[in-house]
Amino acid sequence: DIVMTQTPLSSPVTLGQPASISCRSSQSLAHSDGNTYLHWLQQRPGQPPRLLIYKMSNRFSGVPDRFSGSGAGTDFTLKISRVEAEDVGIYYCMQATQFPHTFGQGTKLEIK
Amino acid sequence: EVQLVESGGGLVQPGGSLRLSCAVSGFTFSSYWMHWVRQAPGKGLVWVSRISENENTINYADSVKGRFTISRDNANNTVYLQMNSLRAEDTAAYYCVRGSRDFYGMDVWGQGTTVTVSS
Repeated sequence: DIVMTQTPLSSPVTLGQPASISCRSSQSLAHSDGNTYLHWLQQRPGQPPRLLIYKMSNRFSGVPDRFSGSGAGTDFTLKISRVEAEDVGIYYCMQATQFPHTFGQGTKLEIK
Repeated sequence: EVQLVESGGGLVQPGGSLRLSCAVSGFTFSSYWMHWVRQAPGKGLVWVSRISENENTINYADSVKGRFTISRDNANNTVYLQMNSLRAEDTAAYYCVRGSRDFYGMDVWGQGTTVTVSS
């Protein structure tokens, strides 16, 4: 199985400041069809996860444009341009390039 | 509005069984793969099982293979997870998740139902 490793595990940020989360996969996530099936999820406290970013850089329906994703191969990044209070929670990267789908261990975003 | 509503969770003794249900609405259920993902208390997400639109393809995580069975009823827009021989390590919130039709992966998550395995 592909192992997904996120850093940092905890990220204290100031409201209005940017935040960045990294995700590294144990194998390339480039699929033979040309796509990279690396996705980002957000889980607010007490809530189920929700899809934020799919295929590395595409925002899912309703996701604010302060969220962006980038990367290639085995290294990926989720960025929040200006953190808002509602962004507090745990962020997970997830790969669906290879079966079974696997998740990173999560990064907890909290306000300083 | 797309909705996935899980039910059937609860407290069960080790070795016992539970059947989880996920009733969906707001989309053409029979056109989508469906998944179950679980999250142990305070832990991360773990994919459990998936089923194709017509049940032709079914897969399980190694940790549940031979104990859990996924199925679906397209006439009633419901996906199920039959869980047998439950163990303490199966204690988790179980999420029903829709497979995306636009990319490999999952897009919409249910609220989850909690399973506690304890004597």
